[in-house]
Amino acid sequence: KQEVTQIPAALSVPEGENLVLNCSFTDSAIYNLQWFRQDPGKGLTSLLLIQSSQREQTSGRLNASLDKSSGRSTLYIAASQPGDSATYLCAVRISGGYNKLIFGAGTRLAVHP
Amino acid sequence: ETGVTQSPTHLIKTRGQQVTLRCSSQSGHNTVSWYQQALGQGPQFIFQYYREEENGRGNFPPRFSGLQFPNYSSELNVNALELDDSALYLCASRYRDSYNEQFFGPGTRLTVL
Repeated sequence: KQEVTQIPAALSVPEGENLVLNCSFTDSAIYNLQWFRQDPGKGLTSLLLIQSSQREQTSGRLNASLDKSSGRSTLYIAASQPGDSATYLCAVRISGGYNKLIFGAGTRLAVHP
Repeated sequence: ETGVTQSPTHLIKTRGQQVTLRCSSQSGHNTVSWYQQALGQGPQFIFQYYREEENGRGNFPPRFSGLQFPNYSSELNVNALELDDSALYLCASRYRDSYNEQFFGPGTRLTVL
């Protein structure tokens, strides 16, 4: 059974720091991995999608890596800003079958001025 | 802006009642999934519809049911509401059998009293 874990559960940092959020999964047979941002009480905004054959994806100040063999992904946020404050969720899509995403519980990030 | 809309935004029901939540996807997005997100947790997969038929289901009882329509809209119906059904309900859509990411709606917050 696939399980997704995110560490840390919460993080509070001063503005300008570079951050690393961690995601681990128990079954390496994944189709892809997706990082989302969620503001309080809101829906999910897709940040980065990494296919199982890829090692990393970059968008602006965000970089996500994927190591299938070790069951890990990291989301790197450069030069954090107060506007980055949100909950960050990773989700894996399992290989075969349908479109089910399995989510971690998220990392709640607070960036203070 | 993901192009996925949900209604209503908020809803309050009492235990034992029935509720219908609605989702409207982008044109051409023939796969829609529904997720339940309890407070402080990651979303949990309820079920998926493709071309108006359910083709995948998570660990949710039959009182959770759905419909998908040809105009790319869909519904989630929950009968005999329980207090634990209080959550944010999210729908997500995408093109089937592609590398495209899933696009999530803003969610419906359901409170069961």
